[in-house]
Amino acid sequence: AQSVTQLDSHVSVSEGTPVLLRCNYSSSYSPSLFWYVQHPNKGLQLLLKYTSAATLVKGINGFEAEFKKSETSFHLTKPSAHMSDAAEYFCVVSDSGGYQKVTFGIGTKLQVIP
Amino acid sequence: KAGVTQTPRYLIKTRGQQVTLSCSPISGHRSVSWYQQTPGQGLQFLFEYFSETQRNKGNFPGRFSGRQFSNSRSEMNVSTLELGDSALYLCASSLEQGRADIQYFGAGTRLSVL
Repeated sequence: AQSVTQLDSHVSVSEGTPVLLRCNYSSSYSPSLFWYVQHPNKGLQLLLKYTSAATLVKGINGFEAEFKKSETSFHLTKPSAHMSDAAEYFCVVSDSGGYQKVTFGIGTKLQVIP
Repeated sequence: KAGVTQTPRYLIKTRGQQVTLSCSPISGHRSVSWYQQTPGQGLQFLFEYFSETQRNKGNFPGRFSGRQFSNSRSEMNVSTLELGDSALYLCASSLEQGRADIQYFGAGTRLSVL
């Protein structure tokens, strides 16, 4: 069985300050982990993914995430927030238990204050 | 290359009616997944099709069904609509069915049930 917990439903940061969106996962197998972003009235877009290679994963738009097996975490970070980063972010776990099975976190809404 | 196309973008139905939503995946993608997104429940997995076969199914009642055609296009059907079926329905396609595959999302169909 797999699950994912996004620890904050809303995060508010000032423009130019760091962003931290937290995600913890549970998986019986070696998981793949993803972060997706959804802007208002749009579909989801992949930010980055982890698939058991390097534990620090770099994505688009300056985002990165670090896979920490001991903490079962996959937090998303960005050094400096931009107004265009305001969106909803989803942490996703997919494990190899049989066919692909994907579980989404509840989402974290990021607000960027000018 | 064209992205994932979902039609229609918006639908208004009344309770008891049935509805069919359509999804055209990215050319060459063989896996199509469907999700229901609501403010209270987040993104919930409905089902996944690969090469015209349903491979995974989420915890939804039998009123929700789907199919995939030989050209990988997919439809989902909801019969006997209920008010609680109002949601954004997202379709995602991927190349194969592996756990590490990136899913590419359409913009969704927003269904309102009155």
